[in-house]
Amino acid sequence: DAGVIQSPRHEVTEMGQEVTLRCKPISGHNSLFWYRQTMMRGLELLIYFNNNVPIDDSGMPEDRFSAKMPNASFSTLKIQPSEPRDSAVYFCASTNVAGKLFFGSGTQLSVL
Amino acid sequence: QKEVEQDPGPLSVPEGAIVSLNCTYSNSAFQYFMWYRQYSRKGPELLMYTYSSGNKEDGRFTAQVDKSSKYISLFIRDSQPSDSATYLCAMMLNQAGTALIFGKGTTLSVSS
Repeated sequence: DAGVIQSPRHEVTEMGQEVTLRCKPISGHNSLFWYRQTMMRGLELLIYFNNNVPIDDSGMPEDRFSAKMPNASFSTLKIQPSEPRDSAVYFCASTNVAGKLFFGSGTQLSVL
Repeated sequence: QKEVEQDPGPLSVPEGAIVSLNCTYSNSAFQYFMWYRQYSRKGPELLMYTYSSGNKEDGRFTAQVDKSSKYISLFIRDSQPSDSATYLCAMMLNQAGTALIFGKGTTLSVSS
């Protein structure tokens, strides 16, 4: 199994631009999570899905952030418009056993 | 008070030392406790998974949970340079679709 696949690996963009992060979870996993990691705040949960349905999006910072999971094998996290304070590493994780998460390698986002 | 507190370190030890990593938490309802290891530029990976109070051992690693003190520990025996990483504690309320809450992580460096 290839594990959780995230793209792009790095993203550099200018303030105000739209950013789309992509995630392919491990086949057979029914839960998908988006986390954001910074030195100051650590690993923060943004949103998670069970069976493609958003369960808790209380961690999404504001309306500029949106996430979708159109099917069991794909999810996107979109930021529009992006701001410098959005710069962080964004991780996607999936699982079919609560607590036993498998993380992707992350997307390093830099907003200039 | 944050839900999960973890000393960020860094912690530097010589090869072969016993390492103790700790977290405290405020929510007495947490029942499941995990330790994740994160190498530089990688996503976290699950190291230990425990339920309620007690000890769990896996090779050189021992996880301890003291729910009465709201305190969890990870011990690493005979530490190796390959153990150099950031260790994140995580916990959740139950298995019914709740998400993990992570500590900020402790950075460990083991020198040969």
